[in-house]
Amino acid sequence: GAVVSQHPSWVICKSGTSVKIECRSLDFQATTMFWYRQFPKQSLMLMATSNEGSKATYEQGVEKDKFLINHASLTLSTLTVTSAHPEDSSFYICSADLSGSSSYNEQFFGPGTRLTVL
Amino acid sequence: KQEVTQIPAALSVPEGENLVLNCSFTDSAIYNLQWFRQDPGKGLTSLLLIQSSQREQTSGRLNASLDKSSGRSTLYIAASQPGDSATYLCAVYPQGGSEKLVFGKGTKLTVNP
Repeated sequence: GAVVSQHPSWVICKSGTSVKIECRSLDFQATTMFWYRQFPKQSLMLMATSNEGSKATYEQGVEKDKFLINHASLTLSTLTVTSAHPEDSSFYICSADLSGSSSYNEQFFGPGTRLTVL
Repeated sequence: KQEVTQIPAALSVPEGENLVLNCSFTDSAIYNLQWFRQDPGKGLTSLLLIQSSQREQTSGRLNASLDKSSGRSTLYIAASQPGDSATYLCAVYPQGGSEKLVFGKGTKLTVNP
């Protein structure tokens, strides 16, 4: 149980295009999901916290208009990288909190999405 | 501000050896601590989660300990196998109303056949 999927697993796009990444909790409901970014040989950096039915909370330094997050249902959050540029190339990983936003429980991570912007 | 440090950054051992990975955190006020495994180009697999009230957790050949007062955790891997080769990440949930995991940079483990 507690499986999180991401789609696509990898994407290559031209500079200036927008890319949408989906994060789904397959066998549980998640009121809170998290989006991370990982550069080569670096650890995960939290970008934003996605709350079902409300606006996402972004970490300092993360552009809200650049990285659009939508958490429209209890099993799906999407991250859209708008007008992507080569510096946005990275590994994007989502996670879902098993029991909801009011308690600190184990996060389950998706397999990640490799974004390459040419 | 909570900071998590993992030492060593990389470790290479022969198959069959027992090994210990170290994790330290600057603020002992944590809710829980989690160890993950990450294979190259892949997401994270949760290995063990230790709640702040616990001192250790075991799963198969893995044993994780937690000493909150000293700000340390160790991940012990018994009888290492080549399939254990991966990057191991330690992360803590700070107390105080935040759900944000704070990650270390990881230890890259290579188990040689």
